[in-house]
Order: sequence, then structure tokens, then C-alpha cells
Amino acid sequence: DTGVSQDPRHKITKRGQNVTFRCDPISEHNRLYWYRQTLGQGPEFLTYFQNEAQLEKSRLLSDRFSAERPKGSFSTLEIQRTEQGDSAMYLCASSPEGWDSNQPQHFGDGTRLSIL
Amino acid sequence: QQPVQSPQAVILREGEDAVINCSSSKALYSVHWYRQKHGEAPVFLMILLKGGEQKGHEKISASFNEKKQQSSLYLTASQLSYSGTYFCGTKDFGNEKLTFGTGTRLTIIP
Repeated sequence: DTGVSQDPRHKITKRGQNVTFRCDPISEHNRLYWYRQTLGQGPEFLTYFQNEAQLEKSRLLSDRFSAERPKGSFSTLEIQRTEQGDSAMYLCASSPEGWDSNQPQHFGDGTRLSIL
Repeated sequence: QQPVQSPQAVILREGEDAVINCSSSKALYSVHWYRQKHGEAPVFLMILLKGGEQKGHEKISASFNEKKQQSSLYLTASQLSYSGTYFCGTKDFGNEKLTFGTGTRLTIIP
């Protein structure tokens, strides 16, 4: 059983450029989450999908951020017009659906974004 | 609101025990514990769903006190591999997002 896969592992870009990250969840996990983590802090929730439906978005997610999961499998997170403050580790997690929400979220290794 | 963890950091010798606390200002539905090593993904340890529930293995266990709105993680006879930053993540009822705590950095020395 392969884990959550994220690509790329590292992204360096100039301020103002657009970037896109990809996440492949564990096979048959229908829930997919995006989090952002800065140095020394815990992950912060960004958004969550159940299959292809985006069910929740954090207020942290400005209109420069968009996420998709078109066929309910892999997901992409796009940041437009990147800013210095976007520098962070972007983590993806997936979980199977459970009746009482007690399913663990399994994280990928993340994409580290650095804005020059 | 973000759960508060204590202590912020702790250094132990191999074989010593540690307790990490996670406190929330609001009622919790479940608590999830993770360990993260530097530059790596958070690794799931365990979930506590019911009040008073204790779960875990022989050397890593946790408890959940609903009334006090807190959870504690117990590491017994620590090993070098236990080093890392421990995060609790809390969930509200009917909400899928995890709100992670402030983190506790654990360093085990030989």
C-alpha cells in the first residue's frame, strides 16, 4: 500500500509567479486534505475534499488559492501571484470515510515552497 | 482556537518517561496524536474518540478527558527513535478538519 505522494518536493519561484502542486492520495481514500505548515508551527488546515466535492475551505485560503480534485482521485493546489508570505510546507493528507470520523489522516512528505 | 500543548520542549535520557499535554478551550469530539521528525511528514500515532478513553501500545499511550477538554500522551522508557515534535490535532463534532496544537519538541539523548 503506497502512501500519499506529493509532487514536487521542492519549488522555488519568484514573487508574482503562479505555482501548482499535485497530491496523489492513498488508493481508495475518498477524503483528501490540504494543510500548510510554517517553521516551528503545526499544520494549518486549508481545504478538504470528499471525492470530487470541496466541502470546506479555511478563511486562510485567499482568492489566490484554488484547489481541485476533478475525478475524486488526485488533487491540485494552485497559488496565483505568489507572495513572500506563501513560503511554507504544503502538506496533503488522505483518509478513508468512516461513520464516526475516527479515521486517521495520513500525510505525504509535502511540497516546500520558497518565494524569492 | 489552537490547542495549547505543554511542555513546549523536553530533553530526556534514553529510558526516561515523558508526558505531553494538550488542552483546548472548547469541547472536543476527538483528539489525534502525531509525531513529526525534522523535514518529514507528520506520522499518525493514535486517535482518542471517547471521553476517558485510553489507547496505545506498551510504551506509547494516551488519555482523553472530555470534561477537562484535554488529552495527554505518555511515553514510557523512551527510545532514541521517539525524538521529534509531537502534535495533538483536535476535531469538532461533524467537522473533518484537524486543528493542530502548538507542538512539543522531544529530544532523547543516549
